[in-house]
Amino acid sequence: EAGVVQSPRYKIIEKKQPVAFWCNPISGHNTLYWYRQNLGQGPELLIRYENEEAVDDSQLPKDRFSAERLKGVDSTLKIQPAELGDSAVYLCASSLGGTGGYGYTFGSGTRLTVV
Amino acid sequence: GQQVMQIPQYQHVQEGEDFTTYCNSSTTLSNIQWYKQRPGGHPVFLIQLVKSGEVKKQKRLTFQFGEAKKNSSLHITATQTTDVGTYFCAGPGGSEKLVFGKGTKLTVNP
Repeated sequence: EAGVVQSPRYKIIEKKQPVAFWCNPISGHNTLYWYRQNLGQGPELLIRYENEEAVDDSQLPKDRFSAERLKGVDSTLKIQPAELGDSAVYLCASSLGGTGGYGYTFGSGTRLTVV
Repeated sequence: GQQVMQIPQYQHVQEGEDFTTYCNSSTTLSNIQWYKQRPGGHPVFLIQLVKSGEVKKQKRLTFQFGEAKKNSSLHITATQTTDVGTYFCAGPGGSEKLVFGKGTKLTVNP
């Protein structure tokens, strides 16, 4: 099993430029999450999907961030335009959901640097 | 919203010493999860605790959930250099999302 796959691993862009991250969750995991992790902090949820539906996007800065999960599998997270404060690691995670105690499986993340 | 507080923020130990990190919530938690993040890596799920007073062990790691389900701890016996990383607790933040603490960063001197 490949686990949660994310790309790219690293991205450096100039401010005001757009950027996109891609995530392929574990097969069979209907729940997909995008988290942002700033240096020295815990991950913070941006958006949660159940299949193709965004069921919690309350923490997503909608003026510049957007996400989609077409067909309920892969997902992309986009920032347009990027700001210096967006520099962080963007983590995708998936889970079986429910109370089975399986936890979240995180991808390796995309480290974004905005200069 | 729901917050979980972790202490200490940093812990430096000599190899072979024990280590404990604590997680506290102002509200009752239905469950709590623990994750480990190695330097440069991503969080990896360790365990979930659900029952009041629950104690679970994984080799040298002992996880406890408080009787009131408002606090939890992770204890590592006889630390090794492979234990280096940041340990996060995470609790439900409503609508099936996890809220992570800020983590405890453990360094181990060989």
